Amino acid sequence: AQKITQTQPGMFVQEKEAVTLDCTYDTSDPSYGLFWYKQPSSGEMIFLIYQGSYDQQNATEGRYSLNFQKARKSANLVISASQLGDSAMYFCAMREGTTGGFKTIFGAGTRLFVKA
Amino acid sequence: DTGVSQDPRHKITKRGQNVTFRCDPISEHNRLYWYRQTLGQGPEFLTYFQNEAQLEKSRLLSDRFSAERPKGSFSTLEIQRTEQGDSAMYLCASSLGTSGKVYTDTQYFGPGTRLTVL
Repeated sequence: AQKITQTQPGMFVQEKEAVTLDCTYDTSDPSYGLFWYKQPSSGEMIFLIYQGSYDQQNATEGRYSLNFQKARKSANLVISASQLGDSAMYFCAMREGTTGGFKTIFGAGTRLFVKA
Repeated sequence: DTGVSQDPRHKITKRGQNVTFRCDPISEHNRLYWYRQTLGQGPEFLTYFQNEAQLEKSRLLSDRFSAERPKGSFSTLEIQRTEQGDSAMYLCASSLGTSGKVYTDTQYFGPGTRLTVL
């Protein structure tokens, strides 16, 4: 069974508008971490934001925020005030604290296109 | 502080040849990971090192694959008798682990090595 699901293969957003990229996850481990990475066409994975399963508040990093709904097992990334440079692939990822060993599981990604 | 570096960035080889990739993590990062990424997919975990110890290997890492991290610094990933199915981007990442909670670590990725097997 897929542990990380990103249902949007591609998304378009107008420059300066906000966009939400969806991510749902599946785990029975009470301890886990959720990550979002950006991968531009150059190929390098760039860390954006982290949310721990025990964190009470949603994580924020500059224009990035994570809408963490634990009961629904969703961890959507919100990008505010989109910029042309935000055009890239975005990956949601999870690491389990007890049952998952040391591996990180990635979703299939969402390609974001920012229009001028 | 320099980031994670990988060498070479691109490698083209013929089926059956051996290839070796190198990863230099961020200095003082004690944890190192290798991933494989095929076109249109997210990265898939291959193996994990804590210092020089290889603590986990994915089932994806067949007998033709071997990874080392001598002295707990740089790491190498070798693929023997390459097959066309090995064509992929090989990504290395490192993290600074200060607690036993590995799942909270932020991993920083290198630019990757793109392997093409003809």
